[in-house]
Amino acid sequence: DAKTTQPPSMDCAEGRAANLPCNHSTISGNEYVYWYRQIHSQGPQYIIHGLKNNETNEMASLIITEDRKSSTLILPHATLRDTAVYYCIVRVAHAHSGNTGKLIFGQGTTLQVKP
Amino acid sequence: DGGITQSPKYLFRKEGQNVTLSCEQNLNHDAMYWYRQDPGQGLRLIYYSQIVNDFQKGDIAEGYSVSREKKESFPLTVTSAQKNPTAFYLCATWTGHEQYFGPGTRLTVT
Repeated sequence: DAKTTQPPSMDCAEGRAANLPCNHSTISGNEYVYWYRQIHSQGPQYIIHGLKNNETNEMASLIITEDRKSSTLILPHATLRDTAVYYCIVRVAHAHSGNTGKLIFGQGTTLQVKP
Repeated sequence: DGGITQSPKYLFRKEGQNVTLSCEQNLNHDAMYWYRQDPGQGLRLIYYSQIVNDFQKGDIAEGYSVSREKKESFPLTVTSAQKNPTAFYLCATWTGHEQYFGPGTRLTVT
């Protein structure tokens, strides 16, 4: 699985959009970009994933560059409850033969939403 | 409601004792995982099981053991051979699209 690079920390004002970057320059053609977040002392929570098209769900949007070497997670209107560590992970989809389904977590980005 | 149950939330043990952490799921998922998290760090994979009666070592399996006798249950035993057992332990299943995590057990060994 490809390695990802994220800034260690970011701040965002409440109500503003939070844009969290992730670099994954060694991503392979069959690897997806996944985003999870972990609120203190809780289990990680899945946010969104994508292959090459931009994706949006009720939680966030995922923008993947055309060369797929980087992506941005967008929380459109950050709230205090969005304060968490955000992990960007790249991996093949579980359905591929031989895939164990395991995730490799880096240290993530600590997002602090401020009032 | 479907989900993953990890109990207890906090667990305290004396050094040299084995301790078993519980993970139960009613999601009917085949694959289950155990991760360990140390303060300020990401998660590291201990063991995983893709089907009943089968499991594989993850990246940091030394000092741990697991069993998978039932689809719903994947208990983790932290043995006395684990040098630094104090950590936050997370159990997860695979939904087919993403991993779904339990609430975790914080183990403190003194």
